[in-house]
Amino acid sequence: VELVESGGGLVQPGGSLRLSCAASGFIFSDHYMDWFRQAPGKGLEWVARIRNRNNGYTTEYAASAQGRFTISRDDSKSSVYLQMNSLKIEDTALYYCARDSKKYSHDYWGQGTLVTVSS
Amino acid sequence: DIQLTQSPSLLSASVGDRVTITCRASHDIKNYLVWYQQKLGKAPKLLIYFASTLQTGVPSRFSGSGSGTDFTLTISSLQPEDFAIYYCQQFDDYPLTFGGGTNVEIK
Repeated sequence: VELVESGGGLVQPGGSLRLSCAASGFIFSDHYMDWFRQAPGKGLEWVARIRNRNNGYTTEYAASAQGRFTISRDDSKSSVYLQMNSLKIEDTALYYCARDSKKYSHDYWGQGTLVTVSS
Repeated sequence: DIQLTQSPSLLSASVGDRVTITCRASHDIKNYLVWYQQKLGKAPKLLIYFASTLQTGVPSRFSGSGSGTDFTLTISSLQPEDFAIYYCQQFDDYPLTFGGGTNVEIK
């Protein structure tokens, strides 16, 4: 199993970024997928979830992401995405994608992609 | 939102010590409690789920217990590779939330 994030970078406040997470080594379409983040020197924060096809690709968001971020997935590409709009300085963090294990936990995580929001 | 309070936030211990970390939830979360280990510059690693079930490949010196609002992670004999930050996470309700972390450092 491997998860590889990409798309991070430096963006000005108010700007947008689209993060990608490419998965391999498992049946991607079977699993819910999540995005997490970790601000420099801080703890872990859950950002968003997308369920699988059997569960209608429904989504959940943290309050900090609701209305600004959109999680999506493309099962044909084994990829999950996070579209981030109206970025704020406090969105600066290392963003991880992770696989839901189907056992109320996340068993595989990517290495993270760094998002820096600064003027 | 369900708040998770971990204690202590910093734990100084020696190799071979028995170490216990606690996680208290603001609401009953049944046994939907997960423990992760995170080393500097690395992604979190799943240790325990359903409060007490050891993830495949995790050494048996790690154990978890508890239900409802009070949970513990125990390392029976601390090894050099165990010095890291440990987080609890609840899976009972959205938003999924984490404790603030416990930094286990070398004494």
